[in-house]
Amino acid sequence: QVQLVQSGVEVKKPGASVRVSCKASGYTFSDYYIHWVRQAPGQGLEWMGWIGPSSGATNYAHKFQGYVTMTRDTSVSSFFLELNSLKSDDTAVYYCARRGISGYFDYWGQGTLVTVSS
Amino acid sequence: SYVLTQPPSVSVAPGKTATITCGGDNIGSKSVHWYQHKPGQAPVLVIYYDRDRPSGIPERFSGFNSGRTATLTISRVEGGDEADYFCQVWETSSDRYVFGPGTKVTVL
Repeated sequence: QVQLVQSGVEVKKPGASVRVSCKASGYTFSDYYIHWVRQAPGQGLEWMGWIGPSSGATNYAHKFQGYVTMTRDTSVSSFFLELNSLKSDDTAVYYCARRGISGYFDYWGQGTLVTVSS
Repeated sequence: SYVLTQPPSVSVAPGKTATITCGGDNIGSKSVHWYQHKPGQAPVLVIYYDRDRPSGIPERFSGFNSGRTATLTISRVEGGDEADYFCQVWETSSDRYVFGPGTKVTVL
């Protein structure tokens, strides 16, 4: 079965960087784009961007351009989200999600809580 | 950028019908997808392409989209349906993905 398994809880200080991983299994890795979505405490879901599994091409939401980097490692079927210059506003649960055939997200990771606090 | 609106909350008695709306400019011309999100869990796709249900989603969940409003309907509501529900569209022209603010469904 399709699974997206994410890395564990992270606690970081303001200004630091964090890297969240998402390991894919149960489907052909190269067939589906992976997106990242976050949810800050008490807030809704916020789309961050996508990465193509074969080319590594990326598309970031305007808000995240310049301080988010999405990468993938095909050898271990994993995707990575890196955020730099963390602020308290970046405290959120970060999800990876597989994009279905057209515009929807059919499978999600379990989420990774990132807390930014001094 | 495209904006989706949802009521913050909907309350419904067990066995009754919950209706959750998602508003947007000419949303009827877009495909709307719906997710159920329970605390501490990953979101679950419950409706895609306005009205289609993924395998494993009960027939009690249905969707409709026309004009300026898309609707998710949950019939014969059960306690396990208590969750936040988010609508979502894909802006094909800009390749942007937009979520509504979410509606908290409370089962009385």
